[in-house]
Amino acid sequence: QVQLQESGPGLVKPSQTLSLTCAVSGDSIRSGGKYWSWIRQHPGKGLEWIGYIYYSGSTYHNPSLKSRVIIVGDTSKNQFSLRLSSVTAADTAVYYCAREVIPYNWFDPWGQGTLVTVSS
Amino acid sequence: QSVLTQPPSVSAAPGQKVTISCSGSSSNIGNNFVSWYQQLPGTAPKLLIYENNKRPSEIPDRFSGSKSGTSATLAITGLQTGDEADYFCGTWESSVRLFGTGTKVTIL
Repeated sequence: QVQLQESGPGLVKPSQTLSLTCAVSGDSIRSGGKYWSWIRQHPGKGLEWIGYIYYSGSTYHNPSLKSRVIIVGDTSKNQFSLRLSSVTAADTAVYYCAREVIPYNWFDPWGQGTLVTVSS
Repeated sequence: QSVLTQPPSVSAAPGQKVTISCSGSSSNIGNNFVSWYQQLPGTAPKLLIYENNKRPSEIPDRFSGSKSGTSATLAITGLQTGDEADYFCGTWESSVRLFGTGTKVTIL
């Protein structure tokens, strides 16, 4: 079955760049028909979609995050990564990666999530 | 702040039925499919319903979804203690994926 696993530092200092990686097994990020996405959940809050990367390398992210988001793929390792720059305490959240099925945009499966705390 | 509004909480006794509403607009729910996710305590969200009313094969038929106009509804029948969780609706608007505010289901 398809599995996703997030990894990365659990603590990031304010103004630095948050970097996370999602390792995919059971599917290929080089195949079409799906987007590879990042979603976050602030403590005790709802879900916020961050953005996605397509097999072609094209990306799209939530305009609310302005130009702080970069999503890149590594087809040799079948993984994709999130970089969020200039972080503040407001970026403290659990970060999930998920596969988004095209064309009707539902997310399945999700990774287990990783908590990232922004603090000095 | 999410533009998809859900009631903060609903509750019912085991065996009973609950419904969770997800209210949006013509720009999102009104013109796109809706999905639903279950988030058990301390775990990642899990897909329950996709394309308004379809269930993945592993999801029991106690869970059902519907959509009418700019609102969607998730119904859970035959409530079980294991259904106690947060539930989120999802859709999109202008290519931005949206999630509902979330509803906590409590089993009395």
